[in-house]
Amino acid sequence: DVKVTQSSRYLVKRTGEKVFLECVQDMDHENMFWYRQDPGLGLRLIYFSYDVKMKEKGDIPEGYSVSREKKERFSLILESASTNQTSMYLCASSFRGLAGVNEQFFGPGTRLTVL
Amino acid sequence: GENVEQHPSTLSVQEGDSAVIKCTYSDSASNYFPWYKQELGKRPQLIIDIRSNVGEKKDQRIAVTLNKTAKHFSLHITETQPEDSAVYFCAAPPRRGSTLGRLYFGRGTQLTVWP
Repeated sequence: DVKVTQSSRYLVKRTGEKVFLECVQDMDHENMFWYRQDPGLGLRLIYFSYDVKMKEKGDIPEGYSVSREKKERFSLILESASTNQTSMYLCASSFRGLAGVNEQFFGPGTRLTVL
Repeated sequence: GENVEQHPSTLSVQEGDSAVIKCTYSDSASNYFPWYKQELGKRPQLIIDIRSNVGEKKDQRIAVTLNKTAKHFSLHITETQPEDSAVYFCAAPPRRGSTLGRLYFGRGTQLTVWP
């Protein structure tokens, strides 16, 4: 059974703080993703990674960076948190395989509030 | 592809009725079309998916149909039950042959099933 875990369910930070959100998957998936979920806007991709140390910008990368030093772990970094980054953050992973695109398995989410 | 539109944004049905959610995509080369269900406070989970070499797929009360000519695919839920109440997301990949595994998600449909 695929398991994707995130370091925190709820997080409260202050404007200007550096924030780390961590995601770990235990199924040896090549691909990992960070999404932001806001009401009415669906799931918006921030960054994704298709291999260790490889990363690609998604649709809303501004204000974020990522790190993937190990295959199972993908970190999202807010260099200087701002109130407009208050949101639900979802991590996901997927197997690459021959089909290229496969099911994404999501973590439970981290609800981040920036005061 | 890059532009996935989902309709309606909200849907209310009586228990036992059918529900249909429709998505359109822009890239004719897209070849994988999943549907995710997100219950309140939980993570999105895949409920059914279809690849472009198939026109329809069923799994008990849920089915997905694909019309490649018109570039749309639909989720059909029959004999709806209150536990079907959730937000449903469709998704499509950017282009055929993409091995990076990313998906573009629709904005979601809030389905409410009244007992």
